[in-house]
Amino acid sequence: NAGVTQTPKFQVLKTGQSMTLQCAQDMNHNSMYWYRQDPGMGLRLIYYSASEGTTDKGEVPNGYNVSRLNKREFSLRLESAAPSQTSVYFCASDQHGNSGNTIYFGEGSWLTVV
Amino acid sequence: DAKTTQPNSMESNEEEPVHLPCNHSTISGTDYIHWYRQLPSQGPEYVIHGLTSNVNNRMASLAIAEDRKSSTLILHRATLRDAAVYYCILRDETGGGADGLTFGKGTHLIIQP
Repeated sequence: NAGVTQTPKFQVLKTGQSMTLQCAQDMNHNSMYWYRQDPGMGLRLIYYSASEGTTDKGEVPNGYNVSRLNKREFSLRLESAAPSQTSVYFCASDQHGNSGNTIYFGEGSWLTVV
Repeated sequence: DAKTTQPNSMESNEEEPVHLPCNHSTISGTDYIHWYRQLPSQGPEYVIHGLTSNVNNRMASLAIAEDRKSSTLILHRATLRDAAVYYCILRDETGGGADGLTFGKGTHLIIQP
């Protein structure tokens, strides 16, 4: 069972460069999420997609864009990376609409912006 | 989502029970109580959740106060592998909770051999 798969796992960017984090889930979930986690902190929601074709801003959306490519895939793009975006990024998915549903997380993508 | 309060850290010995407390005095009637944990260098993983009644699964038990203003995650026999950050999270299921989970800083559980 692959669950939620993120790529790349590690990336170093120079300030101003762009990149896309890819995420795919194989559980037929309708909702997908992107979080970031800074050292010693809990996760903060960047963007989410409640269903295919919809995306919404979370707590910290500035500097990011997302695309829900299809039901399986949800990508996160940094158009012009900044050192403040150095963080660990987690993709997640769940079946929105089910009470008490479980969210499944990927293993994380470690991004350093220099 | 309503706020939760957890101790920053707790320490326990291997093979002993661990009780992780969580206060959520502003919980609403539609909030489920979720517990997730995050092992070092990994994504969070689901532990258990409940609404009003106590819950048991193969990983842990969840004891919910009668007034629902607090809950306790119980690990019956801690192992070294249980060392992690444990997050207590309230999720409003009205409309299915489409906006994910709101994480605090959680409790850092240290297990001594």
